[in-house]
Amino acid sequence: DTEVTQTPKHLVMGMTNKKSLKCEQHMGHRAMYWYKQKAKKPPELMFVYSYEKLSINESVPSRFSPECPNSSLLNLHLHALQPEDSALYLCASSHRDSNEKLFFGSGTQLSVL
Amino acid sequence: AQTVTQSQPEMSVQEAETVTLSCTYDTSESNYYLFWYKQPPSRQMILVIRQEAYKQQNATENRFSVNFQKAAKSFSLKISDSQLGDTAMYFCAFTLTQGGSEKLVFGKGTKLTVNP
Repeated sequence: DTEVTQTPKHLVMGMTNKKSLKCEQHMGHRAMYWYKQKAKKPPELMFVYSYEKLSINESVPSRFSPECPNSSLLNLHLHALQPEDSALYLCASSHRDSNEKLFFGSGTQLSVL
Repeated sequence: AQTVTQSQPEMSVQEAETVTLSCTYDTSESNYYLFWYKQPPSRQMILVIRQEAYKQQNATENRFSVNFQKAAKSFSLKISDSQLGDTAMYFCAFTLTQGGSEKLVFGKGTKLTVNP
């Protein structure tokens, strides 16, 4: 299994809603990442988890809350988002916290109304 | 500054021909990896090719090869025998160590269209 699975594929939410994005991998990777990508722009790193501990937070607003319950799962909890948070959210994993090879999921397209 | 520059926002090529995408970067790191990622309309990021900076030999993966010039901090991608499925956004990136972990620094991308 060489896949990173993200759910849901699409999400529409209001600014007062609370929702969560889910990412799962079964490759035994110990590093997992959240990226945000606006249209026609490169991905921007948000968070890195290494061995289930948060190792990088790129000064992301607190309305985004990551969680790594175990080595296979990564969640991104969303609360009180703004319309400008609408983007493609990509999850990725790698063998360890080294970008020797990143495996990306197909993303969650988020729209905030 | 740790940056990646892709000077060609858009390029096009005829099917079966060869095209080269340019990338320059700036880093103070002594050891790092360089990557080309492809993002087709499906928007999934796919690794095309990877180069370790301490290796002088240029990496190749089937129809894809790189020209790595470390002193010039240049890392171009050559696609031979272009296929319609190569139509995608191509991002050049390198690794940056931060807080004991590594992160990717991406360029702004080059949109490649392969015409039939």
